[in-house]
This record gives sequence, C-alpha cells and structure tokens, in this order.
Amino acid sequence: QVQLQESGPGLVKPSQTLSLTCTVSGGSISSGSYYWSWIRQPAGKGLEWIGRIYTSGNTNYNPSLKSRVTISVDTSKNQFSLKLSSVTAADTAVYYCARDYYDTAYYFDCWGQGTLVTVSS
Amino acid sequence: DIQMTQSPSSLSASVGDRVTITCRTSQSISNYLNWYQQKPGKAPKVLIYAASSLQSGVPSRFSGSGSETDFTLTISSLQPEDFATYYCQQSYSTPRTFGQGTKLEI
Repeated sequence: QVQLQESGPGLVKPSQTLSLTCTVSGGSISSGSYYWSWIRQPAGKGLEWIGRIYTSGNTNYNPSLKSRVTISVDTSKNQFSLKLSSVTAADTAVYYCARDYYDTAYYFDCWGQGTLVTVSS
Repeated sequence: DIQMTQSPSSLSASVGDRVTITCRTSQSISNYLNWYQQKPGKAPKVLIYAASSLQSGVPSRFSGSGSETDFTLTISSLQPEDFATYYCQQSYSTPRTFGQGTKLEI
C-alpha cells in the first residue's frame, strides 16, 4: 500500500521560498505510469492543483502559479519536492502531495495527510 | 482552464435519504470526471473516477453518471459517515481543476 508523507517548514516569511518534500513509501516512485502532484487548500476553501511531475522529470504547472513553482523528483530517495518562491499570505494553505494514477482516466488515488504552511513575518 | 461548477454548495439531508450532487464543466471533458469526499482535517478520498467507476473499497451506495459537461454523484441511502464535503475534479486537461465543493450536512 503506497503511502505519501509531506514534510517541511510550517512557517515561511513573506517573499521567501516555500519548500516541501513528499516521501513515498510502500512502493517505488519510478514504478508504473504515475504522475506525482502537489495540491493546496486554504483554510475553509477549495482545492487548487499546483502541478505535477513524471519520474522522467516532465512537469506540468498551473499557469496561475507557473512563474513561481518548481517541482522536482529524486528517485534515489523516493521523494518529490515543491518549491514556491516569493510567497505571500495568499499562499497560506494546507499542502497535499498526491499520486496521479491512470485507470481509464487520471485521478488522485493516494494522498498525503497534508501539511499546513503559514506565510507570516 | 476548465471551470467546474458544483451544485448545490451546501445540502441538508437525513440518514437514509437519497442525495444527488451535480457538477457542470465549462467545456466537454468526455468522461474524465472524478469525485472526492473530504472530512474535516483529512485529505480528500476518491470515490468515483472516470465519471462512473467506483473506486475499490468504496461502498456501492455511491454512484456517478454523466458525460461531456454534466455529471452527477448520487448517494443512494445516506449513512452517518457520509456527512462531509464532496468535490468534483476534471482530468481531461491541465491544469487540473476542482469544483468549489458541496458540503453535506445533517
């Protein structure tokens, strides 16, 4: 059973870079035809897809965040990471990592528990 | 981006009720529509993928239907554990987009 776990600072100062890592356990990040995604959710609001990466390194980003986002993968550590630069209070949210699985359609079948990141000085 | 519109935004119902939630997309997405359930403080959980396929382990009282631009999630007989927020999501194109959510309350 694949499990995902986010890690990283819970507090980031405005204008700095938010950095999170998702560790995949119970299976290899390189096996299967999966993308690995980051999704966020401000308190009391809906879900926003940030972007995804394939194990080849191919990425897709949400155009609304593209200029500030970098997603990378480290297959040797079974991890993928998110960097979001120039953060503001609007970036305060619970950040989830998720597996984008394909079975006649892509869907997010496994999620991390989520990690709250607060942007504040 | 494909816009997702769910209705209603909130819904009050009772145990045993049949409930339907609707999701409309701004353009045709074939059957690339998924439904998720989210409980407070928890990550979303997939219920239905590809519009009508039931995810393994999900009770059969959940069902999905629709194609192109109009989709529905139906819960045939509400159970106490079903009170949660439900989201639709399209996987036709990137960026992936979600509906605004439907909060199902007692």
